Amino acid sequence: NAGVMQNPRHLVRRRGQEARLRCSPMKGHSHVYWYRQLPEEGLKFMVYLQKENIIDESGMPKERFSAEFPKEGPSILRIQQVVRGDSAAYFCASSPSSPPGDEQYFGPGTRLTVT
Amino acid sequence: DQQVKQNSPSLSVQEGRISILNCDYTNSMFDYFLWYKKYPAEGPTFLISISSIKDKNEDGRFTVFLNKSAKHLSLHIVPSQPGDSAVYFCAAALTGGFKTIFGAGTRLFVKA
Repeated sequence: NAGVMQNPRHLVRRRGQEARLRCSPMKGHSHVYWYRQLPEEGLKFMVYLQKENIIDESGMPKERFSAEFPKEGPSILRIQQVVRGDSAAYFCASSPSSPPGDEQYFGPGTRLTVT
Repeated sequence: DQQVKQNSPSLSVQEGRISILNCDYTNSMFDYFLWYKKYPAEGPTFLISISSIKDKNEDGRFTVFLNKSAKHLSLHIVPSQPGDSAVYFCAAALTGGFKTIFGAGTRLFVKA
Protein backbone atom coordinates (compact mmCIF):
# COMPACT_ATOMS: atom_id res chain seq x y z
CA ASN A 1 0.00 0.00 0.00
CA ALA A 2 1.94 2.96 -1.32
CA GLY A 3 2.00 6.14 0.68
CA VAL A 4 1.43 9.64 -0.61
CA MET A 5 3.48 10.19 -3.76
CA GLN A 6 4.81 13.53 -4.87
CA ASN A 7 6.73 14.35 -7.99
CA PRO A 8 9.06 15.72 -8.88
CA ARG A 9 11.09 15.64 -5.67
CA HIS A 10 13.21 18.53 -6.84
CA LEU A 11 12.21 21.19 -9.34
CA VAL A 12 14.31 24.07 -10.61
CA ARG A 13 12.62 26.89 -12.47
CA ARG A 14 13.81 30.24 -13.73
CA ARG A 15 11.90 33.34 -12.77
CA GLY A 16 8.78 33.73 -14.88
CA GLN A 17 8.37 30.03 -15.68
CA GLU A 18 5.55 27.81 -14.50
CA ALA A 19 5.95 25.15 -11.81
CA ARG A 20 3.64 22.17 -11.70
CA LEU A 21 3.71 19.93 -8.63
CA ARG A 22 1.90 16.60 -8.50
CA CYS A 23 0.47 14.64 -5.61
CA SER A 24 -1.10 11.19 -5.61
CA PRO A 25 -2.91 10.53 -2.32
CA MET A 26 -2.93 7.22 -0.53
CA LYS A 27 -5.31 4.66 -1.89
CA GLY A 28 -8.78 5.24 -0.51
CA HIS A 29 -8.07 8.83 0.53
CA SER A 30 -10.24 11.48 -1.07
CA HIS A 31 -9.03 14.49 0.93
CA VAL A 32 -5.87 16.32 -0.15
CA TYR A 33 -4.02 19.21 1.47
CA TRP A 34 -1.12 21.30 0.25
CA TYR A 35 1.36 22.99 2.57
CA ARG A 36 4.40 25.18 2.01
CA GLN A 37 7.45 25.22 4.23
CA LEU A 38 9.85 28.11 3.97
CA PRO A 39 13.35 27.71 5.45
CA GLU A 40 13.32 27.70 9.27
CA GLU A 41 9.54 27.95 9.32
CA GLY A 42 6.69 25.58 9.96
CA LEU A 43 4.21 24.19 7.52
CA LYS A 44 1.80 26.78 6.18
CA PHE A 45 -1.59 25.55 5.05
CA MET A 46 -2.38 26.46 1.46
CA VAL A 47 -5.43 24.57 0.24
CA TYR A 48 -7.73 21.67 1.04
CA LEU A 49 -9.40 19.76 -1.78
CA GLN A 50 -11.72 16.86 -2.28
CA LYS A 51 -12.25 15.21 -5.64
CA GLU A 52 -13.16 17.94 -8.16
CA ASN A 53 -13.78 20.46 -5.37
CA ILE A 54 -11.73 23.13 -3.64
CA ILE A 55 -13.00 23.21 -0.08
CA ASP A 56 -10.72 25.77 1.53
CA GLU A 57 -8.11 27.82 -0.31
CA SER A 58 -7.68 30.51 2.30
CA GLY A 59 -3.94 29.86 2.52
CA MET A 60 -3.29 30.25 -1.18
CA PRO A 61 -1.80 33.48 -2.50
CA LYS A 62 -4.44 35.27 -4.52
CA GLU A 63 -2.39 35.43 -7.69
CA ARG A 64 -0.30 32.94 -9.65
CA PHE A 65 -1.22 29.92 -7.49
CA SER A 66 -3.92 27.41 -8.30
CA ALA A 67 -4.76 23.86 -7.29
CA GLU A 68 -6.96 21.11 -8.60
CA PHE A 69 -7.87 17.54 -7.73
CA PRO A 70 -9.57 16.05 -10.77
CA LYS A 71 -11.82 13.02 -10.79
CA GLU A 72 -9.01 11.01 -12.34
CA GLY A 73 -5.35 11.55 -11.73
CA PRO A 74 -3.23 13.33 -9.17
CA SER A 75 -3.78 16.63 -7.47
CA ILE A 76 -1.84 19.46 -9.11
CA LEU A 77 -0.46 22.61 -7.51
CA ARG A 78 0.38 25.12 -10.22
CA ILE A 79 2.50 28.21 -9.74
CA GLN A 80 2.60 30.57 -12.68
CA GLN A 81 5.36 33.11 -13.32
CA VAL A 82 7.45 31.91 -10.40
CA VAL A 83 9.50 34.36 -8.35
CA ARG A 84 12.44 33.74 -6.02
CA GLY A 85 10.16 33.97 -2.99
CA ASP A 86 8.32 30.86 -4.19
CA SER A 87 11.41 28.77 -3.41
CA ALA A 88 10.30 26.39 -0.68
CA ALA A 89 9.39 22.81 0.09
CA TYR A 90 5.82 21.98 -0.89
CA PHE A 91 4.17 19.10 0.93
CA CYS A 92 1.02 17.30 0.02
CA ALA A 93 -0.97 15.30 2.56
CA SER A 94 -4.04 13.10 2.34
CA SER A 95 -6.57 11.72 4.76
CA PRO A 96 -9.44 9.25 4.54
CA SER A 97 -11.99 11.63 5.99
CA SER A 98 -12.56 15.29 6.58
CA PRO A 99 -10.54 17.14 9.20
CA PRO A 100 -9.84 17.40 11.99
CA GLY A 101 -10.49 13.88 13.20
CA ASP A 102 -7.97 11.89 11.20
CA GLU A 103 -4.29 12.48 11.02
CA GLN A 104 -2.88 13.44 7.68
CA TYR A 105 -0.39 11.34 5.76
CA PHE A 106 2.31 13.39 4.15
CA GLY A 107 4.29 12.89 0.98
CA PRO A 108 8.05 13.43 0.84
CA GLY A 109 7.63 16.93 -0.57
CA THR A 110 8.76 18.78 -3.67
CA ARG A 111 11.63 21.19 -3.20
CA LEU A 112 11.18 24.09 -5.60
CA THR A 113 14.14 26.30 -6.38
CA VAL A 114 13.63 29.44 -8.42
CA THR A 115 16.79 30.84 -9.96
CA ASP B 1 -0.35 35.71 12.92
CA GLN B 2 1.11 32.70 14.71
CA GLN B 3 -1.75 30.81 16.26
CA VAL B 4 0.47 27.88 17.22
CA LYS B 5 3.84 28.63 18.72
CA GLN B 6 6.79 26.44 19.49
CA ASN B 7 9.16 28.80 21.22
CA SER B 8 12.15 26.48 21.45
CA PRO B 9 13.76 26.01 18.05
CA SER B 10 15.94 23.21 19.38
CA LEU B 11 16.36 20.88 22.34
CA SER B 12 19.24 18.57 23.25
CA VAL B 13 18.71 15.59 25.56
CA GLN B 14 20.82 12.65 26.72
CA GLU B 15 19.75 9.19 25.63
CA GLY B 16 17.53 7.56 28.25
CA ARG B 17 16.34 10.86 29.72
CA ILE B 18 13.00 12.57 29.21
CA SER B 19 12.42 14.96 26.29
CA ILE B 20 9.74 17.61 26.81
CA LEU B 21 8.60 19.61 23.83
CA ASN B 22 6.27 22.52 24.41
CA CYS B 23 3.61 24.22 22.33
CA ASP B 24 1.32 27.19 22.98
CA TYR B 25 -1.74 28.23 21.04
CA THR B 26 -3.79 31.40 20.99
CA ASN B 27 -7.16 30.32 19.59
CA SER B 28 -9.30 28.89 22.38
CA MET B 29 -11.61 27.38 19.76
CA PHE B 30 -9.04 24.76 18.79
CA ASP B 31 -10.31 21.39 19.98
CA TYR B 32 -7.94 18.91 18.41
CA PHE B 33 -4.17 18.80 18.67
CA LEU B 34 -1.56 16.68 16.98
CA TRP B 35 2.17 16.10 17.01
CA TYR B 36 4.13 15.19 13.91
CA LYS B 37 7.75 14.11 13.56
CA LYS B 38 9.86 14.98 10.55
CA TYR B 39 13.19 13.58 9.41
CA PRO B 40 15.32 15.43 6.81
CA ALA B 41 14.19 14.99 3.21
CA GLU B 42 10.97 13.28 4.31
CA GLY B 43 7.43 14.44 4.92
CA PRO B 44 6.09 14.74 8.46
CA THR B 45 4.65 11.61 10.02
CA PHE B 46 1.85 11.56 12.55
CA LEU B 47 2.90 10.76 16.10
CA ILE B 48 0.07 11.29 18.56
CA SER B 49 -3.06 13.40 19.00
CA ILE B 50 -5.38 14.61 21.72
CA SER B 51 -8.85 16.09 21.71
CA SER B 52 -9.84 18.90 24.02
CA ILE B 53 -12.05 16.65 26.12
CA LYS B 54 -8.93 14.96 27.44
CA ASP B 55 -5.91 16.27 29.26
CA LYS B 56 -3.57 13.37 28.56
CA ASN B 57 -3.02 10.77 25.89
CA GLU B 58 -0.34 8.12 26.00
CA ASP B 59 1.13 5.87 23.30
CA GLY B 60 4.15 3.88 24.30
CA ARG B 61 7.04 6.21 25.03
CA PHE B 62 5.04 9.25 23.89
CA THR B 63 2.59 11.18 26.06
CA VAL B 64 0.82 14.40 25.18
CA PHE B 65 -0.53 16.67 27.90
CA LEU B 66 -3.09 19.39 27.29
CA ASN B 67 -3.70 22.35 29.60
CA LYS B 68 -6.68 24.17 28.12
CA SER B 69 -6.74 26.99 30.62
CA ALA B 70 -3.13 27.82 29.80
CA LYS B 71 -3.60 27.04 26.08
CA HIS B 72 -0.54 24.86 26.32
CA LEU B 73 0.36 21.36 25.31
CA SER B 74 3.49 19.33 25.67
CA LEU B 75 4.92 16.13 24.28
CA HIS B 76 6.92 13.91 26.61
CA ILE B 77 9.22 11.24 25.24
CA VAL B 78 10.61 8.83 27.77
CA PRO B 79 13.08 7.27 27.55
CA SER B 80 14.54 9.28 24.66
CA GLN B 81 16.43 7.37 22.00
CA PRO B 82 18.89 8.59 19.34
CA GLY B 83 16.34 7.62 16.65
CA ASP B 84 14.00 10.23 18.13
CA SER B 85 16.28 12.96 16.80
CA ALA B 86 14.05 14.86 14.38
CA VAL B 87 11.97 18.01 14.04
CA TYR B 88 8.71 17.86 15.97
CA PHE B 89 5.72 19.91 14.84
CA CYS B 90 2.78 20.74 17.04
CA ALA B 91 -0.51 21.27 15.18
CA ALA B 92 -4.02 22.40 16.07
CA ALA B 93 -7.40 22.21 14.41
CA LEU B 94 -11.02 22.87 15.17
CA THR B 95 -14.08 20.78 14.50
CA GLY B 96 -15.90 22.10 11.46
CA GLY B 97 -12.82 23.83 10.17
CA PHE B 98 -10.63 22.58 7.39
CA LYS B 99 -7.24 23.91 8.32
CA THR B 100 -4.65 22.33 10.51
CA ILE B 101 -2.33 25.03 11.86
CA PHE B 102 1.26 24.00 12.43
CA GLY B 103 3.90 25.47 14.69
CA ALA B 104 7.39 26.24 13.43
CA GLY B 105 8.84 23.05 14.88
CA THR B 106 11.40 22.09 17.50
CA ARG B 107 14.53 20.21 16.50
CA LEU B 108 15.29 17.47 19.03
CA PHE B 109 18.80 16.07 19.37
CA VAL B 110 19.13 12.92 21.45
CA LYS B 111 22.77 12.26 22.31
CA ALA B 112 24.01 8.71 22.77
